[in-house]
Parts: sequence; C-alpha cells; structure tokens
Amino acid sequence: TQLLEQSPQFLSIQEGENLTVYCNSSSVFSSLQWYRQEPGEGPVLLVTVVTGGEVKKLKRLTFQFGDARKDSSLHITAAQPGDTGLYLCAGAKGYSTLTFGKGTMLLVSP
Amino acid sequence: GAGVSQSPSNKVTEKGKDVELRCDPISGHTALYWYRQSLGQGLEFLIYFQGNSAPDKSGLPSDRFSAERTGGSVSTLTIQRTQQEDSAVYLCASSLEGADSYEQYFGPGTRLTVT
Repeated sequence: TQLLEQSPQFLSIQEGENLTVYCNSSSVFSSLQWYRQEPGEGPVLLVTVVTGGEVKKLKRLTFQFGDARKDSSLHITAAQPGDTGLYLCAGAKGYSTLTFGKGTMLLVSP
Repeated sequence: GAGVSQSPSNKVTEKGKDVELRCDPISGHTALYWYRQSLGQGLEFLIYFQGNSAPDKSGLPSDRFSAERTGGSVSTLTIQRTQQEDSAVYLCASSLEGADSYEQYFGPGTRLTVT
C-alpha cells in the first residue's frame, strides 16, 4: 500500500505554462517535504511544510499543505526548462523516517 | 562544505556475488539513512542510524542486506549473494539531529546492476 500518492505520474508541457502536481494520503503527517531530483543525482530538498493550511512560495513555486495535513500541492508558474526533473513528496510522522511518494516526472520543453 | 558522498557511483556485478556500497555523510550529521530507488517505484526506505541508538532495520528486504556505521560517520551497505531484483540506485542521506522536520540531504547514489 502506497501511503503517499502523487499525481500525475508524468507531465510534459511547454515553457511558460503553469502546472500543479498533487500529493495525497489518507494518513496525517506532522510535516511534508518536497524534493526535486535530476538524472544521476540525489533528491534535493525544496521546502518543508508543517502547519495545516500553510502556503510557502519559492520564486515561481508555490507549495500548500492541506488543512488536515494529509495532502499537499505544488504549483509552478511559467515553467522553465530548468524545472525539469522528478518531484517527490515525503511525509514525516513525528520522530521517524520519511515516507516517499513515487514522484511526478516533469518535462518542460523550450 | 562537502555534501554527502557515495562510492562507487556505478557497480556492475554478477548474480551471486557480494557488493559493498559506501556512504560518507555530512560532517556533524548524526542521522544516516539508506534508500533504494527502482524505476517507477519511488524511494524505498532500507535502514536508519541515529547516533548511538540501535539502527532501525525495518526496511531491509531480506537477510542478504546489512549495513554498518562505524564511528558514527561512514556507513557501508552490504548485499550478499546479489540477485537481479537488487538492481537499483542506492541512495544515502544524512540529517542533523534535531533539525526541523528532519530535513535530509542526499548523496548522488550508487547505481547497482546485477547481471
């Protein structure tokens, strides 16, 4: 059973388009993290959200944590080719290991 | 400062052989994690070391897998009698104890291919 479901699995868009990817669970998490992974590299942390309803912005990326702390979304405005990569969400439950989703592979074409 | 490093970057081995994968965490990070990433499967937790506590081995898929962490720093993941299904990218991460929300810093991974 996959605790964190990410959608869509794949997304191919043109430069300048907007997009949203989702991370959903039936479980409550104490915090949720978003990572981006490029080919041949390890995931790199983008943001951590902790409070239900929290919204964090990182340049053109907007992250939201659901009110019930079970889901999250990542919205990218005016996507650039440099945004291409695998986006992973990961949930934490107190002082324990992270549970990762399978990721959303994003391809932004010039 | 230096990030998490892993070696080798690529390893090709024959079925039935043993392999050792190495991880050097960020200096001062007391927590160390091993994950396995297979195509289309996301990151699968394997084992977690935290300071001097007993490691959390709950993610190891079989008794062919083991890991050690010497001196609270370098870690080695050993896979005995490798099987083709062990082929994957093995990622190591470290974090600073007490860091907010347990932010983890990943190495580049070791790509293991079992032929």
